[in-house]
Amino acid sequence: ETGVTQTPRHLVMGMTNKKSLKCEQHLGHNAMYWYKQSAKKPLELMFVYSLEERVENNSVPSRFSPECPNSSHLFLHLHTLQPEDSALYLCASSQERASSYNEQFFGPGTRLTVL
Amino acid sequence: KQEVTQIPAALSVPEGENLVLNCSFTDSAIYNLQWFRQDPGKGLTSLLLIQSSQREQTSGRLNASLDKSSGRSTLYIAASQPGDSATYLCAAGGYKLSFGAGTTVTVRA
Repeated sequence: ETGVTQTPRHLVMGMTNKKSLKCEQHLGHNAMYWYKQSAKKPLELMFVYSLEERVENNSVPSRFSPECPNSSHLFLHLHTLQPEDSALYLCASSQERASSYNEQFFGPGTRLTVL
Repeated sequence: KQEVTQIPAALSVPEGENLVLNCSFTDSAIYNLQWFRQDPGKGLTSLLLIQSSQREQTSGRLNASLDKSSGRSTLYIAASQPGDSATYLCAAGGYKLSFGAGTTVTVRA
């Protein structure tokens, strides 16, 4: 595997379900990100992790719970979601957080549909 | 709060024509500006990153310029091809990137 991978690629869940999205980066990076891309809206930053420490929580509802067990893996745990949470969830990584050269590399995304 | 605007929202050109995509941002205190390409239903592919101290970056047929004082960046794609059809996104900031809504480009064969 190369770059940033995400699983599953597609997920359909009911509002009472609990599921998790997984992201893995094979680039040796130290920072990882979760973004949400809804139809007709710009990408929204959700969470930022640097060296496994959460450094940004962009006013995200508590029904989204991130976890970063190591610098290569990032999870987004989902519970009691709403239909408006349906979106493309994108994971990204970068070499380090505090740098002017902070090129972010994205995974293919998980298309989430909440029924 | 950083606001990023991309104009036009959509663009259709015949093959071979040069493309000019515009991006403006409201807060000039950025670390870098990054251009991405997104194909339908897919993730983002990084095209170019311009650091705040730089004025432009080039990669193949792509050239991006940055004018921090006026809050503008422009992506030029020379001699467009049908394979260039995609949505192009610009993002300004540092580790916290603010994204524009994108310009959807169609290159007609």
